[in-house]
Amino acid sequence: EVQLLDSGGGLVQPGGSLRLSCAASGFTFNNYAMSWVRQAPGKGLEWVSRISSSGGSTYYADFVKGRFTISRDNSQNTLYLQMNSLRAEDTAVYYCAKGVAGGWLQFDYWGQGTLVTVSS
Amino acid sequence: QSALTQPPSASGSPGQSVTISCTGTSSDVGGYYYVSWYQQHPGKAPKLIIYEVTKRPSGVPDRFSGSKSGNTASLTVSGLQAEDEADYYCSSYAGSNNLIFGGGTKLTVL
Repeated sequence: EVQLLDSGGGLVQPGGSLRLSCAASGFTFNNYAMSWVRQAPGKGLEWVSRISSSGGSTYYADFVKGRFTISRDNSQNTLYLQMNSLRAEDTAVYYCAKGVAGGWLQFDYWGQGTLVTVSS
Repeated sequence: QSALTQPPSASGSPGQSVTISCTGTSSDVGGYYYVSWYQQHPGKAPKLIIYEVTKRPSGVPDRFSGSKSGNTASLTVSGLQAEDEADYYCSSYAGSNNLIFGGGTKLTVL
C-alpha cells in the first residue's frame, strides 16, 4: 500500500525557516517524480515544487523561487522541502504528492498534509 | 500564471448529472492534454479522479468523466451520490515546467 507521511510543519516567525519531510513507502520511491503542493486555509491548491526521480532536476513556482529548496534522499525514501525567508502568505497545509507513472503533472497519491503557520 | 477559472459552486440532486467547467487559455488548458481533476473532502487530502483530460485511475467510478473543448475542460459527474459532495479542483500544465490549479468548485448534493 502506497503511503506518504508528511511532517515538520509548525509555527514560525516571518523570516524564519522550516524543513518539511515526506516519508514514502509501498512503492519504488526512486522511480517517481515527487512534488509539494500547498493549500492556504480555506483556499485552493497551489503547486510549489517538483523534483525528478533521481533528484537531478528541480523546479519551483515563481512565488517560492530562491526561498524554498526541494530535495530527496532515495536511500531513505524521503522527500524534503527546505523553506527559508518565510512570509505570512506561505501559511498553508503542505502536501507531498507522487507523480503518476512516467510523469509529474498528475498526482495519484498524496500525504496527509502538514500545517505551516507563519506569524509573529 | 493565473489560476484556472472554475465556478465557485455547483449542485444537483441524487441521480442527476452535473458538469463543472475549468477555463484557461491556449497556453495551458488549450495547449496541452495534461488536465487533471481532484476531489477533496473536508479535512482530507485531494484524490485524483481524472488525468490527461479523460483517463480515470483504477478504482474511480465511471460516473466521473472528463472532456475538453478549446480552452475549457469539463468534469461530469453522472448519477450523483451523497458521497460525491466535495470540493473539486482542476489542474493543467502551463508550459515552462509550471503546473496551475483552478480555484475549486464546491459540489453540493441536494
